[in-house]
Amino acid sequence: DIQMTQSPSTLSASVGDRVTITCRASQSVGRWLAWYQQKPGKAPKLLIYDASTLQNGVPSRFSGSGSETQFTLTISGLQPDDFATYYCQHYHTYPWTFGQGTRVDIK
Amino acid sequence: QVQLVQSGAAVKKPGASVKVSCKASGYSFSSYDIHWVRQAPGQRLEWMGKIHAGTSNTKYSQNFQGRLAFTRDTSATTVYMELTSLRSEDAAVYYCARSPRTLDGFDVWGQGTMVTVSS
Repeated sequence: DIQMTQSPSTLSASVGDRVTITCRASQSVGRWLAWYQQKPGKAPKLLIYDASTLQNGVPSRFSGSGSETQFTLTISGLQPDDFATYYCQHYHTYPWTFGQGTRVDIK
Repeated sequence: QVQLVQSGAAVKKPGASVKVSCKASGYSFSSYDIHWVRQAPGQRLEWMGKIHAGTSNTKYSQNFQGRLAFTRDTSATTVYMELTSLRSEDAAVYYCARSPRTLDGFDVWGQGTMVTVSS
């Protein structure tokens, strides 16, 4: 199975900050990678797919980049609604796997 | 609107089975894969497998070693997930989710179904 590792596990930031989360795959997943936002008690929400394509309706302050084994999610100008946990997920080969999550909380 | 609505919470004893439903609406049911993902308390999301709602073709994670089955009822636009021989480690929130393409992220999610396993 392909292992997905995110860093950091927790990130403290302020409104307006630029935030970057990294996701590393144990082997190449091409660009078959998605990013999700999850809030407590809620289902995840798709933010980015195919490594860098913004899902319809997602604010443009979210962006994704990378390929093969190294990916990043950037939030440019953190908003109060963005405090949540973020997960990466590959869909290159079965089984699809997720990172352990990065919690973004208020500094 | 496009939505997936899951059945309610379940409490099961170890060794029992649970069947969770996921009713789709607002889109062409038979054209998409429905995946199942679970999340144990404080844990990462775990992909369980998928079923194509039109062909009924399935793919399962090996982590469930034959305990897992997906079915669908096209007339009811509903997909079902059944997990047997429940263990305490199966206690989790179970989600169904849609993928628009064969290789894709999950663009629509159900609200989640909490399964508790306790004697």
